[in-house]
Amino acid sequence: QVQLQESGPGLVKPSETLSLTCTVSGGSVTSDSYYWTWIRQPPGKGREWIGHFLYGGVSGITNYNPSLKSRVTMSVDASTNQVSLKLKSVTAADTAIYYCAREVRFGASAFDIWGQGTLVTVSS
Amino acid sequence: AIQMTQSPSSLSASVGDRVTITCRASQGIRNDLGWYQQKLGEAPKLLIYAASRLQSGVPSRFSGSGSGTDFTLTISSLQPEDFASYFCLQQYNYPRTFGQGTKVEIK
Repeated sequence: QVQLQESGPGLVKPSETLSLTCTVSGGSVTSDSYYWTWIRQPPGKGREWIGHFLYGGVSGITNYNPSLKSRVTMSVDASTNQVSLKLKSVTAADTAIYYCAREVRFGASAFDIWGQGTLVTVSS
Repeated sequence: AIQMTQSPSSLSASVGDRVTITCRASQGIRNDLGWYQQKLGEAPKLLIYAASRLQSGVPSRFSGSGSGTDFTLTISSLQPEDFASYFCLQQYNYPRTFGQGTKVEIK
């Protein structure tokens, strides 16, 4: 079955760029049936949808949360079957558990597969 | 952004109890809502999609209802493995938004 696994540095310095990878196993990131999504949850706070990426061949289609749009970049690497997230100019407010998830595009959509999440702390 | 108000934030219940959790959307979202379960340190799990459709493999004691702005997740007879956190998530428009979550604890 499809599994998602997030990975990346657990500690990032303020003002630097947070970079995470989601490795997809048992399925393909090039499928046009799914959005590949990043979600985060700061400690003790609510969940926030960061955005998603839809594979489109040479280039993909992205949709980002307006609250983060100026700092976020998502991409997909078909050769490694990975989805990446970059968040620049981080502050302590970006400390959170970051999840990748798969959102079904067609029919009755849902976020049907999630990773376990990875904690990223922003601190000097 | 659509605000999702989930209640209660926590509840204590016993095995066998009927449990109800609600989510209210700040505007109509048709039936574009899912319910998820999350246990500590684990990936969230889809329980209900399109407000009332049971995800494959999920026990039938879980059910969802509602449309428009008001939605309910019901666990008909709470089992030991159901003690977890639950949240709703709207997929009507962007950005996707979440309820704050409900922690179900053992009484």
